[in-house]
Amino acid sequence: EIVLTQSPGTLSLSPGERATLSCRASQSLSDNYIAWFQQRPGQAPQLLIYTTSTRAPGTPDRFSGSGSGTDFTLTISRLEPEDFAVYYCQHYAGSPRTFGQGTKVDIK
Amino acid sequence: QVQLVQSGAEVKRPGASVKLSCKSSGYSFNVYSVHWVRQAPGQGLEWMGKINPSAASTIYSQTFQGRVTMTSDTSTSTMYMELSSLTSEDTAVYYCARENAVRSTDYWGQGTLVTVSS
Repeated sequence: EIVLTQSPGTLSLSPGERATLSCRASQSLSDNYIAWFQQRPGQAPQLLIYTTSTRAPGTPDRFSGSGSGTDFTLTISRLEPEDFAVYYCQHYAGSPRTFGQGTKVDIK
Repeated sequence: QVQLVQSGAEVKRPGASVKLSCKSSGYSFNVYSVHWVRQAPGQGLEWMGKINPSAASTIYSQTFQGRVTMTSDTSTSTMYMELSSLTSEDTAVYYCARENAVRSTDYWGQGTLVTVSS
């Protein structure tokens, strides 16, 4: 089973600042099959990024994904008020499709 | 538009089973697999498994193997997930999510809260 470790656990930032979220896999991921989800309180997760760096339809361009192998990053270039939420990475390079434990981005 | 609409909240006793539904619309039901993911209160996301409705084939997480059954009804475009031998640790919101053509999960249901309590 591939273990995904996200860091930091919590990121306290102000609107307008840049957020950098990390997701590290316990083994190299084929085809960079990493997705990122945003989850706001009381809502279902929403797909932001798939295949490491492709934005899902409707994802603002302030969100970008990068990485390869075992290290992946989600960057939010300038935080908007609606971006304060929890973010999860997930691999889909095989089963089980594990998730990271999440990074909470909250308002400083 | 693509929609996944899940059944309502459930309260179950320990040891019981629960069967949840996920009705899809707005796309070709048989073409896309559907995944089930759960989230315990205040916790992260946990992948449970997936079902390919056209082949009726399933892949389950080892964590739930032997306790989970995923089925589909092509006549109503509805997926089902049954979880047996419930304990309090199964208290969670259960989501269904569609797997798209590039294998990520793009549309999610609204979630169903299952509470297991004596």
